[in-house]
Amino acid sequence: GAVVSQHPSRVICKSGTSVKIECRSLDFQATTMFWYRQFPKQSLMLMATSNEGSKATYEQGVEKDKFLINHASLTLSTLTVTSAHPEDSSFYICSARDPLAGGADTQYFGPGTRLTVL
Amino acid sequence: QKEVEQDPGPLSVPEGAIVSLNCTYSNSAFQYFMWYRQYSRKGPELLMYTYSSGNKEDGRFTAQVDKSSKYISLFIRDSQPSDSATYLCAMSDSGGYQKVTFGTGTKLQVIP
Repeated sequence: GAVVSQHPSRVICKSGTSVKIECRSLDFQATTMFWYRQFPKQSLMLMATSNEGSKATYEQGVEKDKFLINHASLTLSTLTVTSAHPEDSSFYICSARDPLAGGADTQYFGPGTRLTVL
Repeated sequence: QKEVEQDPGPLSVPEGAIVSLNCTYSNSAFQYFMWYRQYSRKGPELLMYTYSSGNKEDGRFTAQVDKSSKYISLFIRDSQPSDSATYLCAMSDSGGYQKVTFGTGTKLQVIP
């Protein structure tokens, strides 16, 4: 099946620093990737949709200058949390859509990145 | 009102029991329905995918969609301790190009 990796799996940083999270589709080319945020006991909240070679589409309420998304290739998207603060601490999960897979809305998720901002 | 409602549980059942997980939704435009399984501190894994109303079976898992009632279910037969996880329902209104809306997830514990 389709495999999506994320790196790092866990990061702890000081307030005010920037953190970059990578999302890779390992065995397929993903024209569309998604970035989600998940708080404990809450659902996945879509932050932005990332299309290869174009600007990301951000959901309402998500600061695009704070959460920088780059989708430079068909297998890699990055999320950079700029000037991170403790309230940015969360579980960040990416997913990728395999355009060749059966099932129009099947998204394959990465294992997630646990961000803790001190 | 949330677009997708899902009881967060936790739901505890003995090994071998039949488990029923449910979601209701309000958007009648939803046509694509998914169930994901998420183990603790891991990303969700797609379990079942259905289009429109009806049933779909895959091994011990059966997904049901009742669009008239805006109600979807996931049944797990002969539940195993390894089924212990959070189950998320998800749905969207078009084939591949609109965002997917997730339920909050139901935490299931299967007791040996």
